[in-house]
Amino acid sequence: NAGVTQTPKFQVLKTGQSMTLQCAQDMNHNSMYWYRQDPGMGLRLIYYSASEGTTDKGEVPNGYNVSRLNKREFSLRLESAAPSQTSVYFCASRGGHSGANVLTFGAGSRLTVL
Amino acid sequence: QQPVQSPQAVILREGEDAVINCSSSKALYSVHWYRQKHGEAPVFLMILLKGGEQKGHEKISASFNEKKQQSSLYLTASQLSYSGTYFCGTESQAGTALIFGKGTTLSVSS
Repeated sequence: NAGVTQTPKFQVLKTGQSMTLQCAQDMNHNSMYWYRQDPGMGLRLIYYSASEGTTDKGEVPNGYNVSRLNKREFSLRLESAAPSQTSVYFCASRGGHSGANVLTFGAGSRLTVL
Repeated sequence: QQPVQSPQAVILREGEDAVINCSSSKALYSVHWYRQKHGEAPVFLMILLKGGEQKGHEKISASFNEKKQQSSLYLTASQLSYSGTYFCGTESQAGTALIFGKGTTLSVSS
């Protein structure tokens, strides 16, 4: 039982390049999320998907797009990467844990934009 | 809007106690607490729901003041394993996305 799997774990891009971060969960959760983590800023919500077929903007959506491909998969795309998008990206899914709906995070993807 | 956590950092010796606070300017449905160790993903600790219900870690307690939109996490008799960054996440309505604070870094030494 893998939980939430993110790929790649590390990526270096040049300014202007595009890439997609992949996320898959095997817990049959309805909701999935993308957060970015920067020093001193905490976890900031980029986009989320409350259920298959729906997506909504979070706190910092500019420069990103998402696709909820099916119930298991939620991808994050950077169309034209900028140095300000250098960050650690966490995907999470939300579902039952001890009777409450809580987040389970993936291991993270560290992205550097030069 | 991000909830506000205080303090930003706490340094303890083993066995000492700590309180981490989280406050929001919006009415809350629930407050979540997560702990992140260096280089790892955040891990769920505790959830507090409107109405007083709470679920989570056996050795960590928390409170939720619905009227003040504040929550506190109580770490008693701290252990080395408690070191890490603690985040509160707040939810204004059931089923909406969690918005996290900037975190509180806890360092426990022997």
